[in-house]
Amino acid sequence: AQSVTQLDSQVPVFEEAPVELRCNYSSSVSVYLFWYVQYPNQGLQLLLKYLSGSTLVKGINGFEAEFNKSQTSFHLRKPSVHISDTAEYFCAVSKTGGGNKLTFGTGTQLKVEL
Amino acid sequence: GAGVSQTPSNKVTEKGKYVELRCDPISGHTALYWYRQSLGQGPEFLIYFQGTGAADDSGLPNDRFFAVRPEGSVSTLKIQRTERGDSAVYLCASSPEDRGNEAFFGQGTRLTVV
Repeated sequence: AQSVTQLDSQVPVFEEAPVELRCNYSSSVSVYLFWYVQYPNQGLQLLLKYLSGSTLVKGINGFEAEFNKSQTSFHLRKPSVHISDTAEYFCAVSKTGGGNKLTFGTGTQLKVEL
Repeated sequence: GAGVSQTPSNKVTEKGKYVELRCDPISGHTALYWYRQSLGQGPEFLIYFQGTGAADDSGLPNDRFFAVRPEGSVSTLKIQRTERGDSAVYLCASSPEDRGNEAFFGQGTRLTVV
């Protein structure tokens, strides 16, 4: 079984400041890794994903994440946030090689302030 | 094009009643997933369809929950004898055959059992 830990339930940050949202996972098998964003009253939207290859992946809206196998982490970063980035962010994993169900973390609420 | 559509967006029902939640996936997507998101939690997997058949129903909490996808497109999640603990947002997602690890989510159905 897989599990995902997002230690920070809320992250307040000022506009134009950098931000890092932390994600650690546990799995006995190889996994794919994802970050989803949920804006208020909207569905989940894929930000980025790691399937294989380069451990640094770039996503939409200027976000990027780095897969670190030894630390079982997949932290999400953005060098300069905007008010419009205020949302709930979910880290998720799925097993490689079939069975596409996602296991999600509990989410991190990013609040960008002026 | 149209995204994943879920109806109704909100459903209030009395304890003990039967409810049906509908999901219209993106046209041509062969994989369909149901998740449940309780307040303050990440989405939890319920069931996964590949075509018409349930490939993995290991997340269904008990036999009051059932889902069908008779023609390989629209899916219905059915909950019998609803309980107050069933109150949550029920999310549907679909994936195309050739990108099985990217799930596109609907906006969800908020179910409240009173």
